[in-house]
Amino acid sequence: GQQLNQSPQSMFIQEGEDVSMNCTSSSIFNTWLWYKQDPGEGPVLLIALYKAGELTSNGRLTAQFGITRKDSFLNISASIPSDVGIYFCAGPRDNYGQNFVFGPGTRLSVLP
Amino acid sequence: EAGVAQSPRYKIIEKRQSVAFWCNPISGHATLYWYQQILGQGPKLLIQFQNNGVVDDSQLPKDRFSAERLKGVDSTLKIQPAKLEDSAVYLCASSHWGELFFGEGSRLTVL
Repeated sequence: GQQLNQSPQSMFIQEGEDVSMNCTSSSIFNTWLWYKQDPGEGPVLLIALYKAGELTSNGRLTAQFGITRKDSFLNISASIPSDVGIYFCAGPRDNYGQNFVFGPGTRLSVLP
Repeated sequence: EAGVAQSPRYKIIEKRQSVAFWCNPISGHATLYWYQQILGQGPKLLIQFQNNGVVDDSQLPKDRFSAERLKGVDSTLKIQPAKLEDSAVYLCASSHWGELFFGEGSRLTVL
């Protein structure tokens, strides 16, 4: 079945630094979703991407839909302590775009 | 707009006991999902409903897990009997136009 890989698995950065993480798929996706999960909470949708090559921003977050349609990237600029959490990518496993598979996550820690 | 509501938030049971989780999706969302999230992993789909019909339950351990969405709105997920490996967070989500929105989750600990 479809599988998503995320890298890095975890990262420690200094407050104010920029962050990059990516997600790769074994098959082509027509949608990419990026989520953030805080401890004890459910994942919260950050950015949705629907078109190959698309670049979308949400505040300090920018995500890109890879040209090959097998990858996506999430960048966070000028990190702050509240950016700490686990970032998940997700994509639909079916052609209707409703059945989503999730990556294993990238755990971000921000050092003051 | 109210988000996805789940209860209970926490549940501790002994193995072989049963447990039930409830979910009320965002109003108007026809698609409802139950995901299992084991510590340190991403959410894994258990079952997907479209209105009151099951779309995908291929990863639901049907010998012990069951779920229903009788009136096409709220849903319950039941585990009977529970095993130690069922300790996880059970996340409910609903979707509209291809974007999933999650509840806060129900954390299950099986002793």
